[in-house]
Amino acid sequence: EPEVTQTPSHQVTQMGQEVILRCVPISNHLYFYWYRQILGQKVEFLVSFYNNEISEKSEIFDDQFSVERPDGSNFTLKIRSTKLEDSAMYFCASSVQGNYNSPLHFGNGTRLTVT
Amino acid sequence: AQSVTQPDIHITVSEGASLELRCNYSYGATPYLFWYVQSPGQGLQLLLKYFSGDTLVQGIKGFEAEFKRSQSSFNLRKPSVHWSDAAEYFCAVGVSNYQLIWGAGTKLIIKP
Repeated sequence: EPEVTQTPSHQVTQMGQEVILRCVPISNHLYFYWYRQILGQKVEFLVSFYNNEISEKSEIFDDQFSVERPDGSNFTLKIRSTKLEDSAMYFCASSVQGNYNSPLHFGNGTRLTVT
Repeated sequence: AQSVTQPDIHITVSEGASLELRCNYSYGATPYLFWYVQSPGQGLQLLLKYFSGDTLVQGIKGFEAEFKRSQSSFNLRKPSVHWSDAAEYFCAVGVSNYQLIWGAGTKLIIKP
């Protein structure tokens, strides 16, 4: 069964550095998402993306964050200047359609540690 | 405001015993409700969902959940758990297209 893949599985970076988290969604999916889960806390929605545009974003997704689909397969999340509180597990997801009739498929996540 | 509460942080169940994981939600309209499972080192996998219709929904791996509007609940059940069911389970409510509001999760521990 096709899977959403995320790289790297772990990323350690210093505060203030830029990081790019990479995701390869399932190939026929059109809608892409990023969620994050700070250790011990709830999973939180960050952003949804369709047709090369952000569809929705949460309050967490401020100017430090950006998303991009640089080619036909990758979907990236960039954090411009990381803060300690950005340490979390970041999940990428994709779906065929952008509604609840179309299941979300999640990747295994990238654990980001900011020191 | 929309919210999801999973009152049990951990639940321990003997293998072969029945399971019920609780979920309560707060949402003004008819909710879209989901249960996801996260095994160690894995991503989030959809177990089942409720949109409308029959309030008892069947999912994968032998799980089912019942939507009770009067109680604002969507509890997950399984008649007989297996050691492979040990994982963390998340209830979520959809507030717009895939902007899910998540519960804090319940970690299921299986006793041999």
